[in-house]
Amino acid sequence: GAVVSQHPSWVICKSGTSVKIECRSLDFQATTMFWYRQFPKQSLMLMATSNEGSKATYEQGVEKDKFLINHASLTLSTLTVTSAHPEDSSFYICSADDSGSLSYEQYFGPGTRLTVT
Amino acid sequence: ELKVEQNPLFLSMQEGKNYTIYCNYSTTSDRLYWYRQDPGKSLESLFVLLSNGAVKQEGRLMASLDTKARLSTLHITAAVHDLSATYFCAVDRGRGSTLGRLYFGRGTQLTVWP
Repeated sequence: GAVVSQHPSWVICKSGTSVKIECRSLDFQATTMFWYRQFPKQSLMLMATSNEGSKATYEQGVEKDKFLINHASLTLSTLTVTSAHPEDSSFYICSADDSGSLSYEQYFGPGTRLTVT
Repeated sequence: ELKVEQNPLFLSMQEGKNYTIYCNYSTTSDRLYWYRQDPGKSLESLFVLLSNGAVKQEGRLMASLDTKARLSTLHITAAVHDLSATYFCAVDRGRGSTLGRLYFGRGTQLTVWP
């Protein structure tokens, strides 16, 4: 099946700094990718839809100025957590829809664990 | 607002037993997914269900979808320890060009003991 990678797999940063997380589709093109956040022992919450070549669409309650999303190519989307605070510590997971395969599968990346100190 | 309710949230079962996890959702949807998550890991896709009456099976797991009742089930047959994990159902919130926005249930934490 299709593979989605994320980098880094974990990151620790100081409060007030910014962190960039990359999401790549390795063997398929993804015009749309999705970013989720998961707190410990909780479910996944959709944050935003990343659209290649256009602005991201954010879910209600998600601060677009804090979570900057860029989808510069058909295989790469980035999420930048700006001015991170301890409450931003979470597991961030991206997914992509291999629209070319008609499998209707959503492929998830391995996740990035962010800890803000 | 789309709501996805899973039950039970916690399930402890003995090896060899059968059990069913239920997933109810509040509005119509074009797709329903089941995923498995192991501790500290991302999601592993189990099933994609697209139409009313769809039934899919893989090993000891079988998933079904009743779109009229807005209900999906994940049935576990003769459980083994390796099935211990958290299982999520997810409903696609989008329609047409906005497909892919998944709304997840709270998950069912399954523990299978000898």
